[in-house]
Amino acid sequence: EVQLLESGGGLVQPGGSLRLSCAASGFTFSSFALSWVRQAPGKGLEWVSTISGGGGSTYYADSVKGRFTISRDNSKNTLHLQMNSLRADDTALYYCAKPAVVGTIGGYDYWGQGTLVTVSS
Amino acid sequence: DIQMTQSPSSLSASVGDRVTITCRASQGISNYLAWYQQKPGKVPKLLIYAASTLQSGVPSRFSGSGSGTDFTLTISSLQPEDVATYYCQKYNSAPFTFGPGTKVDIK
Repeated sequence: EVQLLESGGGLVQPGGSLRLSCAASGFTFSSFALSWVRQAPGKGLEWVSTISGGGGSTYYADSVKGRFTISRDNSKNTLHLQMNSLRADDTALYYCAKPAVVGTIGGYDYWGQGTLVTVSS
Repeated sequence: DIQMTQSPSSLSASVGDRVTITCRASQGISNYLAWYQQKPGKVPKLLIYAASTLQSGVPSRFSGSGSGTDFTLTISSLQPEDVATYYCQKYNSAPFTFGPGTKVDIK
């Protein structure tokens, strides 16, 4: 059974940093690109970042480029999102997500339950 | 960047009605389009990928069509459990943008 379990969220002051993690199981981890998607309270879904299966290619939304870094450890089946220079508008529930089809980037068939990031003083 | 729009932003229909939601890309994205359903307080659920491929386990009343810039999600006979917000997502190239969502409820 595929499982994605996010951790690392919490309350942080503006300008602070957090590192999110997503522990994965139940599929061939290194074969799939993985993504972070966030959802601010009462708002829609926002794609944040994606990393290829081997980790060699990364993609970022303009809203986080230069502040967030996605990475993965294929030996530990874990995805990370290092978030620096956090702003109030980064407040959201952050999901990790896996595509349905190997070799594709989108069409996420599995999502974690999300980890809440709150940026506030 | 390619912009994604959805119409309508919300709709109210009766049980048994045929419901159609449109997603439009500002430039062609071939068939790299997915549809999701999100119920309040729940994780998004994949309904359709590659514009028209029904995800395993999704009821057959859901269908997707389109290619290029114009896509539709159709619910052939609306059920009470279909009350949700529906999102499209492009994934031909970064950024892998979601549409703004269409909220569906029962009249």
